Amino acid sequence: DIRMTQSPSSLSASVGDRVTITCQASEDINDSLNWYQQKPRKAPKLLIYAASNLEPGVPSRFSGSGSGTEFTFTISSLQPEDIATYYCQHYDYFPYSFGQGTTLEIK
Amino acid sequence: EVLLVESGGGLVKPGGSLRLSCAASGFTFNNAWMSWVRQTPGKGLEWVGRIKTKTDGWKTDYTAPVKGRFTISRDDSKNILGLQMNSLEDEDTGVYYCTTDPASGLDYWGQGTLVTVSS
Repeated sequence: DIRMTQSPSSLSASVGDRVTITCQASEDINDSLNWYQQKPRKAPKLLIYAASNLEPGVPSRFSGSGSGTEFTFTISSLQPEDIATYYCQHYDYFPYSFGQGTTLEIK
Repeated sequence: EVLLVESGGGLVKPGGSLRLSCAASGFTFNNAWMSWVRQTPGKGLEWVGRIKTKTDGWKTDYTAPVKGRFTISRDDSKNILGLQMNSLEDEDTGVYYCTTDPASGLDYWGQGTLVTVSS
């Protein structure tokens, strides 16, 4: 099974900051990677699919890059409503798996 | 509007059984591979299993910890996804989400239903 290693596990940043989260896959997954945002007591919400494609309706301050085993998720200018936990998730083959999550808080 | 509404969660004793259902609407259910994902205190988000479409033989796949204990089913005439959970363990406690499988090119999620396994 593919293991997804996400870092950091938590992050404190100021409004307007650029925020970056990394995700490493234990084997090559091409670009079969999603990034999700989850707020308390809510289902995960898809932000980025196929590593770098913005889901329709998602603000353009969110972006993703990478392929193979190394991936990056970026918020270009952090907003208060971005406080949440973010997860990477591969879907190269079953079983799909998620990273451990990055909890983002406002400094 | 797409809706996935889970039901059937609750409190069950270790070794017990529970059946979850997910009622789908707003998209072509019989064309979509469907999945169950859970979020547990111990493992975080975990893809429990999936079921393919009639065209793909209704084939099912499960993650190792639930293989042999959980069974996913679908009723395309009623747009219902099911999850039969047997021999439940403490580690199965968590919120269970009904979702479309990434292979379907869709990303829809239910609101989740809480399963608590405790004596």
